Amino acid sequence: QQQVKQSPQSLIVQKGGIPIINCAYENTAFDYFPWYQQFPGKGPALLIAIRPDVSEKKEGRFTISFNKSAKQFSLHIMDSQPGDSATYFCAASRWGGGADGLTFGKGTHLIIQP
Amino acid sequence: DAGITQSPRYKITETGRQVTLMCHQTWSHSYMFWYRQDLGHGLRLIYYSAAADITDKGEVPDGYVVSRSKTENFPLTLESATRSQTSVYFCASSERQTQYFGPGTRLLVL
Repeated sequence: QQQVKQSPQSLIVQKGGIPIINCAYENTAFDYFPWYQQFPGKGPALLIAIRPDVSEKKEGRFTISFNKSAKQFSLHIMDSQPGDSATYFCAASRWGGGADGLTFGKGTHLIIQP
Repeated sequence: DAGITQSPRYKITETGRQVTLMCHQTWSHSYMFWYRQDLGHGLRLIYYSAAADITDKGEVPDGYVVSRSKTENFPLTLESATRSQTSVYFCASSERQTQYFGPGTRLLVL
């Protein structure tokens, strides 16, 4: 049973465009929703995270939108650059993320074309 | 500033052999985790640990064993490797919310 569903699997966007990656979760006990960025041959690195008590969070060019009633959240990348080309994973966890691990989506392979 | 390291980075083994993947963190984080990453599955939690001598199963624990005698080390052992355990294995640690991942171990089981 997949508890976090992520779409699309792959995405190609022109430089300067706004790629949007969507995730949906099932477990209402989740209370921490991070996004991780992974470059080839590297481990995932935290990009931005949100808790369900806010509907939006921005950090630089990255924005998370959160819809608690729909159990959905999404990542937007403003003014995308070729250096943003990577695989992006949404995730969710209980108890603030530190205790019993993260449940990941299957990932989105993003390519930003120059 | 080593952070979190994994060894070996690459490993080829044969079915039935025992393999141990090492994970070491220099932050003294309480929590440590093992994930496997497979194409089409994302990352899946194998085992996690809240402190030395405290471990628990994640989503896909079958065929794996962990131990944590010291806070900084969290080895993962495949007792009898199978081809289905060919994967990239990531160790992570955290103190509160953010999990920090190691560089991964790419394991091939022939």
